[in-house]
Formats: sequence, structure tokens, C-alpha cells
Amino acid sequence: AQRVTQPEKLLSVFKGAPVELKCNYSYSGSPELFWYVQYSRQRLQLLLRHISRESIKGFTADLNKGETSFHLKKPFAQEEDSAMYYCALSGSGNTGKLIFGQGTTLQVKP
Amino acid sequence: EAGVVQSPRYKIIEKKQPVAFWCNPISGHNTLYWYRQNLGQGPELLIRYENEEAVDDSQLPKDRFSAERLKGVDSTLKIQPAELGDSAVYLCASSSRGLAEGHYNEQFFGPGTRLTVL
Repeated sequence: AQRVTQPEKLLSVFKGAPVELKCNYSYSGSPELFWYVQYSRQRLQLLLRHISRESIKGFTADLNKGETSFHLKKPFAQEEDSAMYYCALSGSGNTGKLIFGQGTTLQVKP
Repeated sequence: EAGVVQSPRYKIIEKKQPVAFWCNPISGHNTLYWYRQNLGQGPELLIRYENEEAVDDSQLPKDRFSAERLKGVDSTLKIQPAELGDSAVYLCASSSRGLAEGHYNEQFFGPGTRLTVL
């Protein structure tokens, strides 16, 4: 079964501290992985996707097929990073269907 | 550009009443998605349209839910009759088709409609 698991509902860090939002997935083929973010009172939007291999707003994520993980990392958290983060999977053959995790609230304290 | 437009933004109804949600995707986006997001959960796909054709409605509870996308642009999602468990945020998203067969571009989400069933 296709599944995305985000084990932490809430992650609270101080400004300047490193951040790692965990994401594990279950999929038998070659999935495409995404991180979506929702800032307060804004709509859900794409943060990054693994095939792009780019850093967005200082965030990076590496697909680890051996550990079936796609953790989101940032070396120095900023207060404006506070938001809800969702990891999502799209299966090979790409139907366009996204399977989302439960989401992790990142709270960056001053 | 306004992005994906949804209305209404909020809806409160009593159980057994009907309700409808409307979505206008980004111009030129041929793929449209309806998701349901329960409290504390990530969005779950209900139905996906390619132009006017529903190509994935496997997660749509067809006994009470229906959707249409006339002319392959705007879409309407209906619930009749609504139940208490239908309280959720209903999200619409759209994307353009990628250059390669089976490749889909970024999904752009609307603000959602928050439904409360009393």
C-alpha cells in the first residue's frame, strides 16, 4: 500500500537551530516525493520536489530509497519558517495523484 | 493572477442537507483535483479530472458525493445528503500536463472550503 508517514505532529525549535522534518514512505515502485508547505492563513503550496534537487528558502531534502525516507532539512531555522509541512508522494506512471502525510507543524521560537 | 478560486470559503449546514462547492482552476490547466482534508490530517484525493473526464474517482463516496467539470474548466463538487463526518476542508487544485507522457507538473491549490455539518 502507498503510504506517507510523518512521525512528528509538532516540532518546536529556537531560531538559528537546525531543523529536520521526518518523512518516511511506503511504495513498491519509483515514487516522486514532494514537500508542500502551508503558512498561516495561506494556501497549500509546493516547497520542493526531489527530482529538482534544489534548495528552496534554505531547505533541502534528499530521497533515500534504502531507508524509504525524504527528510526535510534546514541548517538554521528562521521565525518565518513556522508553518505546517506536508510530505507527499506520487507513484511511478504518475497518475498525478498525491498521497499526503499527516503533516508536521514547525514552530520556530525567537 | 488569482490562482485557483474556490467558493464559498465557509459553509455551515445541518445534516441531511445538500451542499455544493465550486472551483475555477488556473487558466490553461487541464487537470483538476478535489481533495478532502480532515482535521489534523493531510489532504486525500477524492477525484481527478483530465479536461472534462473524471479519470480517477476511486476515492469518491459515490452514494452521496458527485462532481462535474463541464466544458473542462470550472468544477462543482456536491454532497447530498451531508453527514456529520463530512465536516472537513475541501480543496481544489489544478495543474498543467507535463511535457512527457504521464508527467504532471506542480499542483496549485485553492484556499479551500471549510464545511461544518451540524
